[in-house]
Amino acid sequence: GAVVSQHPSRVICKSGTSVKIECRSLDFQATTMFWYRQFPKKSLMLMATSNEGSKATYEQGVEKDKFLINHASLTLSTLTVTSAHPEDSSFYICSATLNQGRYFGPGTRLTVL
Amino acid sequence: GESVGLHLPTLSVQEGDNSIINCAYSNSASDYFIWYKQESGKGPQFIIDIRSNMDKRQGQRVTVLLNKTVKHLSLQIAATQPGDSAVYFCAERGTGNQFYFGTGTSLTVIP
Repeated sequence: GAVVSQHPSRVICKSGTSVKIECRSLDFQATTMFWYRQFPKKSLMLMATSNEGSKATYEQGVEKDKFLINHASLTLSTLTVTSAHPEDSSFYICSATLNQGRYFGPGTRLTVL
Repeated sequence: GESVGLHLPTLSVQEGDNSIINCAYSNSASDYFIWYKQESGKGPQFIIDIRSNMDKRQGQRVTVLLNKTVKHLSLQIAATQPGDSAVYFCAERGTGNQFYFGTGTSLTVIP
């Protein structure tokens, strides 16, 4: 069964609005979660590492003010795309580590009009 | 930087045949590997893993082989079914518990 969930699975928004994506670990605690972005037919691109109780670690080139990450509890991390623009349209996927394995959520398809 | 690559970007197999998907990795210190299956519009699904102290591991219809000498990983799917059509990619765990993911091989099963 699934070990990581995401919500929503799909979102369409107008340019300039902000969108929040939730990532939850199911039945286990995740002090660290990871946020990826994936373009069609491309590999996963790590955006940031979300750390419970502390600031997220962003990869080079990822704007921390654009992609706000909050890891408020041991089972929940959120990614907020602020002032979204069409170029932010993508597939966003989170993941968490359980028993040394890396498990992914089902992904969130963001479309910015 | 470390890289994980796949030899073949696409693979077509006849239903019922066996599939072999390959992956090359570059970091000889990587100690743990995972194969994922990603269907269109979905997140990657954990299929099978293997530690570096093993050469082979079997699951249900899937087998992963690890050749550390040539830094090569393969995924074998027995009796491939239409539901196996997806992108498959490998991941290696390198130093600092970092995971690196390959681009993926698109498997198409022909009925």
